[in-house]
Amino acid sequence: GDSVIQMQGQVTLSENDFLFINCTYSTTGYPTLFWYVQYSGEGPQLLLQVTTANNKGSSRGFEATYDKGTTSFHLQKTSVQEIDSAVYYCAMSGLNAYKVIFGKGTHLHVLP
Amino acid sequence: DMKVTQMPRYLIKRMGENVLLECGQDMSHETMYWYRQDPGLGLQLIYISYDVDSNSEGDIPKGYRVSRKKREHFSLILDSAKTNQTSVYFCASIPGTANTGQLYFGEGSKLTVL
Repeated sequence: GDSVIQMQGQVTLSENDFLFINCTYSTTGYPTLFWYVQYSGEGPQLLLQVTTANNKGSSRGFEATYDKGTTSFHLQKTSVQEIDSAVYYCAMSGLNAYKVIFGKGTHLHVLP
Repeated sequence: DMKVTQMPRYLIKRMGENVLLECGQDMSHETMYWYRQDPGLGLQLIYISYDVDSNSEGDIPKGYRVSRKKREHFSLILDSAKTNQTSVYFCASIPGTANTGQLYFGEGSKLTVL
């Protein structure tokens, strides 16, 4: 079945550090891939989205590129800020376009 | 303003009691979801509702049931709650399929089962 794997449970960085969060996926369908962000006390919200038609998505300085060969969809940001501290979820809709499944999430903590 | 509202936000129940979590959306979205969120496990899909009285099991439906009698309203019901159902529950909705739109989440309902 479809699956999304995020191996990093927690990442701690200092302000202006480079951010890289791994995500790999598995599906037999044509996936739409997402990164959601969840700030403390809130529900998740969409950060960016990529389909097979457009390989790259970007928002608020974050960028993710869909690589069909390695089935990866890593999240990057050149220079993180303290306000970026949150939980980041990689997600996918695959064979069932209505079903969105999430990875386990990566808790980013940015030190001032 | 597009909004998903969950009630109650916090709930404490004893094992064996029934639990009703309610979710409303003001966007006329057809598809709605219930997820639970646990540390280290992320968001796990309990049920999907495609429209009124058109519900489908997600990945972890055991111990839960749902009701959708109006498009704007989607309920999650726990008959005889168990301690391992202590979690934060999130409702979400989407205007079409996930290929065409984003999920809109509520703020979550934190359930503690003693």
